[in-house]
Amino acid sequence: ETGVTQTPRHLVMGMTNKKSLKCEQHLGHNAMYWYKQSAKKPLELMFVYSLEERVENNSVPSRFSPECPNSSHLFLHLHTLQPEDSALYLCASSQDLGAEPLNEQFFGPGTRLTVL
Amino acid sequence: ELKVEQNPLFLSMQEGKNYTIYCNYSTTSDRLYWYRQDPGKSLESLFVLLSNGAVKQEGRLMASLDTKARLSTLHITAAVHDLSATYFCAVVYGGTSYGKLTFGQGTILTVHP
Repeated sequence: ETGVTQTPRHLVMGMTNKKSLKCEQHLGHNAMYWYKQSAKKPLELMFVYSLEERVENNSVPSRFSPECPNSSHLFLHLHTLQPEDSALYLCASSQDLGAEPLNEQFFGPGTRLTVL
Repeated sequence: ELKVEQNPLFLSMQEGKNYTIYCNYSTTSDRLYWYRQDPGKSLESLFVLLSNGAVKQEGRLMASLDTKARLSTLHITAAVHDLSATYFCAVVYGGTSYGKLTFGQGTILTVHP
């Protein structure tokens, strides 16, 4: 595997389900990100992990819970979602702290989430 | 709060024509990125612009950055159908060591024969 991978690619869940999205980066990067891409809205940054510590949480509802067990893996745990949470969820990674070009982010293919 | 605005949001072009997409941002930043997204696909990095006056070219696409005007342009020369996609600009803000990006709304480009 190369680059940034995400599983599953498609997910349909009910509002009472619990599921998790997985992201893995094979680039040796030290920062990872979750973004939400909804129809007709710009990409929204949700969470940032730098050196495995959460450094950004952009007012994301608690029904979204991220986890970064190591620098290569990032999870987004989902529970009691709402239909308006249906979107494409993108994971990205970057090499920070002295890398050039600084902070260039590489994106995974995304998980298309539908909440019924 | 940093705002990033692209225009136009929709662009329909004939093959062979030239056009420019504009990206304006509201607060100081010296790093700007352009990404391409094909339908149902992820974002692909096109250009990284790191300083005032930076210009980068790849094939029929050329990007430039004017940090004083807080403006970046993506110029398309002699468009071909393969360039049909959504193009996003994104700006770094916050002075952090990691990349805190704010994205524009995206420009949906359709190139017709």
